[in-house]
Amino acid sequence: NAGVTQTPKFQVLKTGQSMTLQCAQDMNHNSMYWYRQDPGMGLRLIYYSASEGTTDKGEVPNGYNVSRLNKREFSLRLESAAPSQTSVYFCASTQGTGGDEQYFGPGTRLTVT
Amino acid sequence: QQQVKQSPQSLIVQKGGISIINCAYENTAFDYFPWYQQFPGKGPALLIAIRPDVSEKKEGRFTISFNKSAKQFSLHIMDSQPGDSATYFCAASMHSGTYKYIFGTGTRLKVLA
Repeated sequence: NAGVTQTPKFQVLKTGQSMTLQCAQDMNHNSMYWYRQDPGMGLRLIYYSASEGTTDKGEVPNGYNVSRLNKREFSLRLESAAPSQTSVYFCASTQGTGGDEQYFGPGTRLTVT
Repeated sequence: QQQVKQSPQSLIVQKGGISIINCAYENTAFDYFPWYQQFPGKGPALLIAIRPDVSEKKEGRFTISFNKSAKQFSLHIMDSQPGDSATYFCAASMHSGTYKYIFGTGTRLKVLA
């Protein structure tokens, strides 16, 4: 039981390049989330998926797209990376709605030069 | 109305001392208040959580105090240890009607040996 896994762990991109961050959970959770963490700003929600087949914007969705591939996998895509997207990205999952424990992955440290 | 304000930003405590971190919220519909602990290079992990039907919850050396009328809750770490040195995030959510969690900006705790 690996919990929430994320790939890659580290990535360096040049401005304008694209990439996809992968996330998978093996806990049969319904809801999945993508956050970014920046110094002094806590965790900010980018997108979430309440259930397979649905996705919704969070607090900071601009510049990102997501895909809920199936119940296990939720990917985050940067179509044209910008230096402002330099951050640590965390994927999380919960069984249901707010009020359930969120399980976080180990994070992806992304640098955009 | 969706903000959760956390203080202090950083905290230094002597081994054996009490660490206290405070959070305040505005949305009275929140009914789930978790605290997450994050070590460097790792994802956040749930430490302890409380619902507003109780004023205090204790798990080992960690206690949440909840003041519904003041819309505040705090984390107390008794007998603080160097191994408690980490970043702590408070959060708020609703048990029904939302899948979103609102996080505080984090408190970096350092416990001196």
